[in-house]
Amino acid sequence: ETGVTQSPTHLIKTRGQQVTLRCSSQSGHNTVSWYQQALGQGPQFIFQYYREEENGRGNFPPRFSGLQFPNYSSELNVNALELDDSALYLCASSSPTGMNTEAFFGQGTRLTVV
Amino acid sequence: AQRVTQPEKLLSVFKGAPVELKCNYSYSGSPELFWYVQYSRQRLQLLLRHISRESIKGFTADLNKGETSFHLKKPFAQEEDSAMYYCALSGGDNYGQNFVFGPGTRLSVLP
Repeated sequence: ETGVTQSPTHLIKTRGQQVTLRCSSQSGHNTVSWYQQALGQGPQFIFQYYREEENGRGNFPPRFSGLQFPNYSSELNVNALELDDSALYLCASSSPTGMNTEAFFGQGTRLTVV
Repeated sequence: AQRVTQPEKLLSVFKGAPVELKCNYSYSGSPELFWYVQYSRQRLQLLLRHISRESIKGFTADLNKGETSFHLKKPFAQEEDSAMYYCALSGGDNYGQNFVFGPGTRLSVLP
């Protein structure tokens, strides 16, 4: 059984550019969530995908979008990057069978916008 | 609105001393509460969840709905407990994956 993996681990982009971050969910997991963690803060929920459909979204603008593929891997896309988008982006996967399902986190992608 | 607060950014205790990491929340319904931990150079991982009423690595946490708190406690801290601790809340929506995290408390256990 493999864990959650994210790529790339580090990324530097220029303001106004677009970025795609990738996440491979843990084997057998069909739900993926993305979080943004700014320096010194806790992770903030961006959105969640379940069986290729978005089924939950946090307080993030539409330029944050995502996809989930048939193999349950996922992408986070951010358009028109702003300096404040600099953060650690975390992906978490789970296979919910009810409440309190444990989420397994990836190691994160550190995005720096200059 | 859902919110989790952790009043201490940093908590330092000596090895063998009791430790309590505070967590308070606001939520209009019946939340599910969790503690996540991040050790140095490791990924965020679940420590414990209130519904399980379990003790993990000597840590326990009791949900107090009257005080809207979910403090994490350990009677005798160990150096290996040094880590970043996040309290998290889930409203149970969407299979319980939408966590609201607190800002975290860094626990430093001194020798």
